[in-house]
Amino acid sequence: NAGVTQTPKFRILKIGQSMTLQCTQDMNHNYMYWYRQDPGMGLKLIYYSVGAGITDKGEVPNGYNVSRSTTEDFPLRLELAAPSQTSVYFCASSYSGVGMNTEAFFGQGTRLTVV
Amino acid sequence: AQSVTQLDSQVPVFEEAPVELRCNYSSSVSVYLFWYVQYPNQGLQLLLKYLSGSTLVKGINGFEAEFNKSQTSFHLRKPSVHISDTAEYFCAVSLYTDKLIFGTGTRLQVFP
Repeated sequence: NAGVTQTPKFRILKIGQSMTLQCTQDMNHNYMYWYRQDPGMGLKLIYYSVGAGITDKGEVPNGYNVSRSTTEDFPLRLELAAPSQTSVYFCASSYSGVGMNTEAFFGQGTRLTVV
Repeated sequence: AQSVTQLDSQVPVFEEAPVELRCNYSSSVSVYLFWYVQYPNQGLQLLLKYLSGSTLVKGINGFEAEFNKSQTSFHLRKPSVHISDTAEYFCAVSLYTDKLIFGTGTRLQVFP
C-alpha cells in the first residue's frame, strides 16, 4: 500500500549543485504535482502533469525542471541550487484534476537545505 | 484570480474544547472548497470538500465545515478536540481546474 513515495527524505546541497527529487506513485493516477512548502506561506505549485509526456508550469516554476516519461514517475530537477530553494517539497497525485471531484494523495515530503 | 485567507496562523485549545478554524476565499464565480490536514512530518490528507449541494459538509475524524456563499467563508469546526488533532490545517480553493490554491495554514495545538 505504497501510495506516493518520495526520495530522499532529507538532503543538504551546496549552492550551485544539482539534484533530482524522485516521486513515484502506484495508483495509476494521471495527474501528478510538485509543491513547495515554506513556513507561513502554505503550499505553492511548482509544476504539474496531466499524463505521461505532458507537463505544465505552476505558480513558482523558476529554477526547476520536470519530466513525465511514465505514468508512475514525476521527478523534479534542480539544476543550480540556490538558498531560496531551501524548502520542503511535496509530490502529489490524483486520478483526475485535483481541483475537481477527486482527492490528492501526498507523499511525505523532501526537506531540502541549500547552503 | 482566486485566493484563500486563513487569518489565524495558530490556534491553541484545550482537549475536549470546541474549535473553529477560519477560512475566507475570494472569487467572482463558484468554486470548489477543500480542507486538508498535515500531521507532523507527514504529507497532506483530505479532511473534507465542498463541491455543491448541502452547505454543511462532514469530513473524517469528526470535523465539519460550513460553506457560506454570502460571506465567502468555509470555516472548519469540531465540537470536541483530541490531542491527536494537533496538526496544521490548510484550506484550499479551486475554480474547477487542475490546480488547488492553498491558504497559508493554521496550526492547531491541542493541550491536555
